Order: sequence, then structure tokens, then C-alpha cells
Amino acid sequence: NAGVTQTPKFQVLKTGQSMTLQCAQDMNHNSMYWYRQDPGMGLRLIYYSASEGTTDKGEVPNGYNVSRLNKREFSLRLESAAPSQTSVYFCASSAAYSYEQYFGPGTRLTVT
Amino acid sequence: GQQLNQSPQSMFIQEGEDVSMNCTSSSIFNTWLWYKQDPGEGPVLLIALYKAGELTSNGRLTAQFGITRKDSFLNISASIPSDVGIYFCAGQPNQAGTALIFGKGTTLSVSS
Repeated sequence: NAGVTQTPKFQVLKTGQSMTLQCAQDMNHNSMYWYRQDPGMGLRLIYYSASEGTTDKGEVPNGYNVSRLNKREFSLRLESAAPSQTSVYFCASSAAYSYEQYFGPGTRLTVT
Repeated sequence: GQQLNQSPQSMFIQEGEDVSMNCTSSSIFNTWLWYKQDPGEGPVLLIALYKAGELTSNGRLTAQFGITRKDSFLNISASIPSDVGIYFCAGQPNQAGTALIFGKGTTLSVSS
């Protein structure tokens, strides 16, 4: 049982480049989330999807877009990367009516 | 927006010592969760609390949901080197499936 998987694990981008971070879960969870983690800032929510077909902005959505491709997959896109988006990105999922979120291993992104 | 204040920010202890950390908020939460993050990994759920006053244990870890519903505590007894990591509290003020609010973390170092 893989849980939540994320690809890639590491990525280096130049300013202005675009990329998509992929996330998939095999726990049949309804809700999925994208967070970013910066030193001393804890985890901040970028976007979330409460169920298939819906997405909502979190605390720090600017510069990002998301797609809930199906129940298993939730992708995060950076259209024009900026150095301020250098961070570690985590995807998480939770079952319907559950408060417990389960996290993937993270994607470490550096924008130069 | 809602914020969680987590303290202390960091702790340096000797193996065998007990550890205590806490999290407070300015508003009421329905659920408190405690996560641990090992270096280079995603956060892992340790304990979930659902009722005011609830006291829950997971091995050497014990967490409590404060009676005011505005705070939570995590205690680790007889610390060992593998307890090293960042501990995050998280609270959920609204219905299940919506975003968690995270504290900024307590970094624990254990010397043997």
C-alpha cells in the first residue's frame, strides 16, 4: 500500500519556467491538499480539493493552479516559476468526514 | 486568519528525559492533531484528539485536548534518539475534509 506518492522528489527550475507537480493516493480518499513548507513557517495550504470536481484556494494560492484529474490524482502547476516559490511541497489526502490527513514524501523545488 | 502558537520553538534534551510541548489558538477548534516529521520526509500522524478534555496515548506519547478547546499538549516520556524531528500541532476549526491549520513546529534534539 503506497499511500500518497509524489513526483518528482527533486526539481530545479529557472525563473519563468513552468512545471507540474504530481500527486496520487491509493486510499480511496475524497479530499486532497497541497501545502508548502518553508523554514520556520510550518505548513501553509496552497489549494485543496474537498471532492472530485471541486477545488478551493488555501492560504497562499498566488502563482499556482491545480487540477483534480480524478479521485486519485491532484496536480499542482507553476506557470511561471519565481525564486519565492523555492520550497518543499507536500501533498496530503483525507477520507470523507475524517479530520486525519496523510502526507506524501514531498517535492523539493529550487527556482534560480 | 486563524493562527496556532506552538511552543517551544526548539528543545535540546538528554536521552531519557521527558518532553512537553503545547499549542494554543485564539479560537475554538473541533479537532487537534499531532504530527512528527523526520528529516527529508513528510509529516506522519501521531495522535488525533476529538473531544475537549480527551487524553490519548500512543506508546510513550500522550496528548491532551484542552478543556477550553483552544489548546493542546503533547508529552513524550523517556526520550530516545529516534524521537529527534519536528513536531507539529494542527487544528481543524470547521467540518471534516477542509483545511488543517498548522503550528510552526517544535524541533526536538536528543543527545545520548
